[in-house]
Order: sequence, then C-alpha cells, then structure tokens
Amino acid sequence: QSVLTQPPSASGTLGQRVSISCSGSSSNIGANSVNWYQQLPGTAPKLLIYSNSHRPSGVPDRFSGSKSGTSASLAISGLQSEDEADYFCAAWDDSLNGAVVFGGGTKVTVL
Amino acid sequence: EVQLVESGGGLARPGGSRRLSCAASGFTLSYHWMHWVRQVPGRGLVWVSRISSDGSTATYADSVKGRFTISRDNDKSTVYLQMNSLGAEDTAVYYCARDSGRPSGDLDHWGRGTLVTVST
Repeated sequence: QSVLTQPPSASGTLGQRVSISCSGSSSNIGANSVNWYQQLPGTAPKLLIYSNSHRPSGVPDRFSGSKSGTSASLAISGLQSEDEADYFCAAWDDSLNGAVVFGGGTKVTVL
Repeated sequence: EVQLVESGGGLARPGGSRRLSCAASGFTLSYHWMHWVRQVPGRGLVWVSRISSDGSTATYADSVKGRFTISRDNDKSTVYLQMNSLGAEDTAVYYCARDSGRPSGDLDHWGRGTLVTVST
C-alpha cells in the first residue's frame, strides 16, 4: 500500500483532457513539492513535472501539474496516443526521515 | 548526454547477497545526490535509498534498513547498492536515478534498471 494515493486507472479519447489525483498528508505533499513521473510500457520512469507545476525541457505543455494542501493533480490536455503510460506522483516525507514516497501509479489508457 | 547504466542484477538465493553498480556518464557525479528505486514488474515504484554527493550521508527505506548499503566512488563515477540478507520481497527491477539538486528533490535522470530475482 503506497503512502500517496492515486486512482489505479484513467482514460480518455484522443484530444480529451484527463486528470489524475494524488492524495497525501501534511508530512509529505503538505510539506514538500510534488513531482510526477511518466513510465511508458517497458521503459524506465521519466521526470514529467517537478516542483508541483514545472515541466523539464522537452515535456509538451499539454502536461500540467498543480498542488493544493495535501493533494496534487496532473492534467493531460489534448490526449495523444503516445500518452498511454503509467503516471506516478512522488514527494519527500518528513515523518519518514526524508524518504521519498510514491503513489501507486495511474495507468492512462487512450480509448 | 546524461547516462546511468545499472549492472549486477541476476538470480540470488534467499539469504544471499548481491551488489549492484550504477555507472554514470555525461555529468559530474560528485555534484549530485543519487538514489536507488525499485519496482516489482507490473507494480509501483518504491524508493530504496539515497546518498549525498560526497557519500557522507545515506538514507534508507525501512524495508531495507540494516540489510542494504549504498555507497559511491566519485572518481569512478559509480554508485553501488550492496544488498544482504535478500528475501523474495526484494525481487524487483532496481533503478539508479540522479537527484536534480533542486529543492523539489526530483529525480531527473534514470537508468534502464537491472532485475534482481531472489529465488531458490
């Protein structure tokens, strides 16, 4: 059972907007930044969003992140077929000696 | 180009040991904290350990504390994970990842991973 809670799945058609939630607590999301990782099938995770809402260079601007209190969310607007992947949220947890905690992951399916 | 290449995975017996290596290139390893993250195939990501840029500070997940040791050799641009007293629950793909150095603590580059299977 993961410290951060994500829905196991989400789906949308091409061009739709999909949102993924990530729920935590005051010791992790409430106190620290949230980062998001994308894992395409059979590949290693890739940084998608850092510091709640910032995109690394090369990440399309259809990906956006936000945080409020002890929850965060990732939105994909204009869903593309190549966005079909697993998405994980993560944050440091102050109650676990600064351990990094991940969400269980959300599988995004493009219908 | 930043590259992280893990090695050392394979079959280990319960109670046995395994040493993983992560060879870094394309950047100055000594500038970055480094992490190990594992993933049971088909399951989620689980953080294992991190080490400070100079190797003086290491932190572990409770599940591996006392059994795993992270270390680094900046001259060799390599990070290690010594795993002892292995159990079936340690079976996973182990990824090496670079800490970006930003306050957000994000992991901005990942290796492709090495699979460790603990079985008789």
